[in-house]
Amino acid sequence: GQQLNQSPQSMFIQEGEDVSMNCTSSSIFNTWLWYKQDPGEGPVLLIALYKAGELTSNGRLTAQFGITRKDSFLNISASIPSDVGIYFCAGEPYGGSQGNLIFGKGTKLSVKP
Amino acid sequence: DAGVIQSPRHEVTEMGQEVTLRCKPISGHNSLFWYRQTMMRGLELLIYFNNNVPIDDSGMPEDRFSAKMPNASFSTLKIQPSEPRDSAVYFCASSGDLYNEQFFGPGTRLTVL
Repeated sequence: GQQLNQSPQSMFIQEGEDVSMNCTSSSIFNTWLWYKQDPGEGPVLLIALYKAGELTSNGRLTAQFGITRKDSFLNISASIPSDVGIYFCAGEPYGGSQGNLIFGKGTKLSVKP
Repeated sequence: DAGVIQSPRHEVTEMGQEVTLRCKPISGHNSLFWYRQTMMRGLELLIYFNNNVPIDDSGMPEDRFSAKMPNASFSTLKIQPSEPRDSAVYFCASSGDLYNEQFFGPGTRLTVL
C-alpha cells in the first residue's frame, strides 16, 4: 500500500534553533496535512495544504506542498520548549477515497532550554 | 467550543470480553473517523462515516471489530471478543466540509490482558 516516509524520526535541538522535517512518497498526493501530538492527547491539526507548490504559514510554522506532489516539508522557526511533541505528516493519496488519510510515522521533537 | 469527545479515556479488560468505545463528534461535522495508534504501526484508519453512512471500512482488521453511527452526534466502535493484540490507543476524529481537516478526540487507551 501507499506509504509516507517521514524524517527525521527524532530531533534534539536547542531552544531558539530552527527545525525542518519532511515527508516523501513514491505516489502522488492530493492533500498534505501536518499534525502535532502531545503525550496523552490526540493529534492537533497545524497546517493543511491543497495545491502543488503551496506555501502556508501558521505563526512560526511554515509548510510546503512539494511541486511534484510527492513530498511536503514543515519548518519551525525559533523553537521554544512548548514545541516539544511528535509531528505527523498526513496525506490524501491521488485516486484514494476522500478523507482516507495516510499518516507518516512521526518526528519526535525535543527542545533543550 | 467542545471538541470531539471520547469515552472512556482508559479501558482495561480481559481477553474475550466485549469492549465498546464511544465518540461524540464536533457539532455540525458530517464526517467521522475511527483510528488506531500503536508504536509498531502508527496511526491507522479503521473506518469512516459520512452523514452517518459507513463509506470505507477497509481498515477494520477483523470481523471482531464493528462500528455504528446511529445519528449525527454519536458513534461506537465495538470489539467482541477482545484480544491482547487489540491493545492500542483508539482515536475518533470528525471533519466538516473540508473533509481532510480532521479534528481528533483525546483517545481511548485500551489494554486487553
